[in-house]
Amino acid sequence: QSALTQPASVSGSPGQSITISCTGTSSDVGGYNYVSWYQQHPGKAPKLMIYEVSNRPSGVSNRFSGSKSGNTASLTISGLQAEDEADYYCSSYTSSSTLGVFGGGTKLTVL
Amino acid sequence: EVQLVESGGGLVQPGGSLRLSCAASGFTFSSYEMNWVRQAPGKGLEWVSYISSSGSTIYYADSVKGRFTISRDNAKNSLYLQMNSLRAEDTAVYYCARDRSSGGSCEADYWGQGTLVTVSS
Repeated sequence: QSALTQPASVSGSPGQSITISCTGTSSDVGGYNYVSWYQQHPGKAPKLMIYEVSNRPSGVSNRFSGSKSGNTASLTISGLQAEDEADYYCSSYTSSSTLGVFGGGTKLTVL
Repeated sequence: EVQLVESGGGLVQPGGSLRLSCAASGFTFSSYEMNWVRQAPGKGLEWVSYISSSGSTIYYADSVKGRFTISRDNAKNSLYLQMNSLRAEDTAVYYCARDRSSGGSCEADYWGQGTLVTVSS
């Protein structure tokens, strides 16, 4: 069982917007602003898409945005494109001894 | 260009040992905290271990504590993971990942391509 809870799958049509949620506790998501999101295509390494809740690394499209409310973080992808189809993982710093925790991952399907 | 290249994976019997290496280039390795993250076949990501830039602070996932040892050689720009008493559930692709900022944020901005470890008799 993953420490952070994500929906197993989401889908959307090209051009639409989707949001992926990531629910934790006050010991991780709710307690710190070190929430990040990763995109992973099949057979590839994860790619950082969002860090510190809502910041985009250089080179990441502004179609990707992040936010947080209480113990739940969210990743929103606007103007869906076929290339966005991938697995998405959230992660958070945690006060537990493991240092970091991931969500179980969400498979995004672009219809 | 930042590059992280893992090596050392392979097939090992239960109870055996393996040492993974990660060669870093394109950045000042000694200034960055580093992590090992793994992904079992068809499963999600799991933080395995973290080491501070100097090597003085180390953390492990409960699932590997007492069996795995992380280390680094800043003179050789290299990160290591010594894995002992391996179990079938340790079978995974192991990624070397650079921490984006100081202080152990657990936000990895660069990842290697991964090395597969298979524990099976």
